[in-house]
Amino acid sequence: GAVVSQHPSRVICKSGTSVKIECRSLDFQATTMFWYRQFPKQSLMLMATSNEGSKATYEQGVEKDKFLINHASLTLSTLTVTSAHPEDSSFYICSVGGGPYEQYFGPGTRLTVT
Amino acid sequence: QKEVEQNSGPLSVPEGAIASLNCTYSDRGSQSFFWYRQYSGKSPELIMSIYSNGDKEDGRFTAQLNKASQYVSLLIRDSQPSDSATYLCAVNGRENFGNEKLTFGTGTRLTIIP
Repeated sequence: GAVVSQHPSRVICKSGTSVKIECRSLDFQATTMFWYRQFPKQSLMLMATSNEGSKATYEQGVEKDKFLINHASLTLSTLTVTSAHPEDSSFYICSVGGGPYEQYFGPGTRLTVT
Repeated sequence: QKEVEQNSGPLSVPEGAIASLNCTYSDRGSQSFFWYRQYSGKSPELIMSIYSNGDKEDGRFTAQLNKASQYVSLLIRDSQPSDSATYLCAVNGRENFGNEKLTFGTGTRLTIIP
């Protein structure tokens, strides 16, 4: 399967600041990456599908102006949480499609907004 | 009706016994089915994929798919304490066919009792 990394693994930021999370596909050229969010004791919630060279596709209810996604290359997608608030504190996980329809997840980024 | 349903558990199984995890889905046209294991605080890890009716075995794991009854199950033989985790069922539905988007269940928490 695909090997996926994320950086940082953990970040603490102050309310109102922005945080960028990187997702890298280390051994696979990914035209599509996915961003999920997971609150404690809840399941994965798909936030958006990141498409290389084009705009991301956001799920219903996800604010595209708050969660900025850039997929500038076949190996890198970034998620920027803008003007973060405590309710944005969560576990953010990206995944890469390894085919057919399989997804391989990065290790996740735990965001805490104080 | 939820698209992918799992019993949230917790499911407790004695060490060495067989753990049986079940998942039902609503989209009859679903094509691809996956089981992920997620340890507490970690991201999901793909452990099984199944695409056609019947059983698929990989080591101590067996996935079973019955498209007519719209269920997929995961059996874990000779359960070990290290199998204690949350198991997520994921489905690529007909609406998603042609892209890699998956729909996840809420997960079943499994505890293996030594």
